[in-house]
Amino acid sequence: NAGVMQNPRHLVRRRGQEARLRCSPVKGHSHVYWYRQLPEEGLKFMVYLQKENIIDESGMPKERFSAEFPKEGPSILRIQQVVRGDSAAYFCASSVQGGGVYTEAFFGQGTRLTVV
Amino acid sequence: RKEVEQDPGPFNVPEGATVAFNCTYSNSASQSFFWYRQDCRKEPKLLMSVYSSGNEDGRFTAQLNRASQYISLLIRDSKLSDSATYLCVVNMAAGNKLTFGGGTRVLVKP
Repeated sequence: NAGVMQNPRHLVRRRGQEARLRCSPVKGHSHVYWYRQLPEEGLKFMVYLQKENIIDESGMPKERFSAEFPKEGPSILRIQQVVRGDSAAYFCASSVQGGGVYTEAFFGQGTRLTVV
Repeated sequence: RKEVEQDPGPFNVPEGATVAFNCTYSNSASQSFFWYRQDCRKEPKLLMSVYSSGNEDGRFTAQLNRASQYISLLIRDSKLSDSATYLCVVNMAAGNKLTFGGGTRVLVKP
């Protein structure tokens, strides 16, 4: 793992504020995934992006959540008007391409969001 | 039916014993398969890819059964450090999205 970098590692927000989570993929990786993990639960897919393109956002809540992966810079997961139920660990993963045999994803250390 | 299903466990395993568990997937066109390991409150890490002929890496053996649409992971001579959640990951054909199972928790005890 050459390093998927997520920041911040820990984020505290009051209800109603915005949360911005950043993910810099492994150098050369063009695909990014975002997953959410609630305490004591498994990873839940949120969104799958290629640079400047959302490939699959079927796991994203319809409101308040958005994601982007611009041509330059990190991928951003944005949560507007956070609520207590948004408290979770958000993991980003990157892969070298969209798929194909044995194209595994590498994970960042996650951002732990706490809404107070 | 979930796309990728795993027995959540926990599997309580005496140190030194063998443990095996499966993961079933719904899409017969799935292309590639992986086992990841996740320790408490940490990021998942790739344990091994699963090849069609089955593969072994030290004490770990992975098998793929396409006809019955499941993959398995076997851990021999379990160590205390093997205690973790093991995540089955399938690369679905449509959109090439990696889909995770809910994980199987393994607890190795002295």
